[in-house]
Amino acid sequence: GNSVTQMEGPVTLSEEAFLTINCTYTATGYPSLFWYVQYPGEGLQLLLKATKADDKGSNKGFEATYRKETTSFHLEKGSVQVSDSAVYFCALGDSSYKLIFGSGTRLLVRP
Amino acid sequence: EAEVAQSPRYKITEKSQAVAFWCDPISGHATLYWYRQILGQGPELLVQFQDESVVDDSQLPKDRFSAERLKGVDSTLKIQPAELGDSAMYLCASSYGQGTYNEQFFGPGTRLTVL
Repeated sequence: GNSVTQMEGPVTLSEEAFLTINCTYTATGYPSLFWYVQYPGEGLQLLLKATKADDKGSNKGFEATYRKETTSFHLEKGSVQVSDSAVYFCALGDSSYKLIFGSGTRLLVRP
Repeated sequence: EAEVAQSPRYKITEKSQAVAFWCDPISGHATLYWYRQILGQGPELLVQFQDESVVDDSQLPKDRFSAERLKGVDSTLKIQPAELGDSAMYLCASSYGQGTYNEQFFGPGTRLTVL
C-alpha cells in the first residue's frame, strides 16, 4: 500500500544553518506530495506541495522537489530561524483523495 | 481569517466512559475529515464526509466510534466505550471539495487522555 517514510528526529540546528529533512514514499500511480508543519499547540498547516514529477514547491524559504526517479520529496531551507522550530510532516495524496502522512520530524533551532 | 474550530481542546476520561468531540469547519467547505494522531506518529484518517454523506470510514473502529454530520456543516465524533489505546490527538480538517488539490485546513485538535 501507499506509505511515507521520513527521517527520525529530533533535528537540532543552530540558527542560520542549512536544513534537510528526508522524505521518501511508496505509491501506485502519480500521487501529489505535501509538507505540513505543526507549531506547538496548533493544528497542521500546509507548508508546500507538488503535484507532478520535477515540480518544486516553495514557501517561506522552504523548498522541496518531487523526484519520481528516487521517490523522494526532501524538505530544504538555506538558513533556519528559531521560529522554524516545529514538527514537519511529509504526506502524499493518493487517487482516493486520502492524505497519508509520515511520522513527523521535530526540528529544534537554537539561537 | 476563517479557521476550523474544535472543542474541547483537552479531555480526560476513564475507560469505558463515552466521549464526544465537536468540529465546526470553515464556512463553505463541503468536505470534512476526522484524523487520529497518536503521539509520535502522523495523522491517520478516520472518516471523511462530503456534505452529510460518509465518503470513507474504512479506518474507523465502528464497534466503538461513530461520526455524524447531520446538516452537512458541523460534525461530532463519538467514542463509546473509551479504551486506554484511544488516548491520542483527534484532528478535524475541512476543504472546499474532495481531491488532494483542495487544501485541507486543520483545527487545533482535541487531546484525549483515557485513564
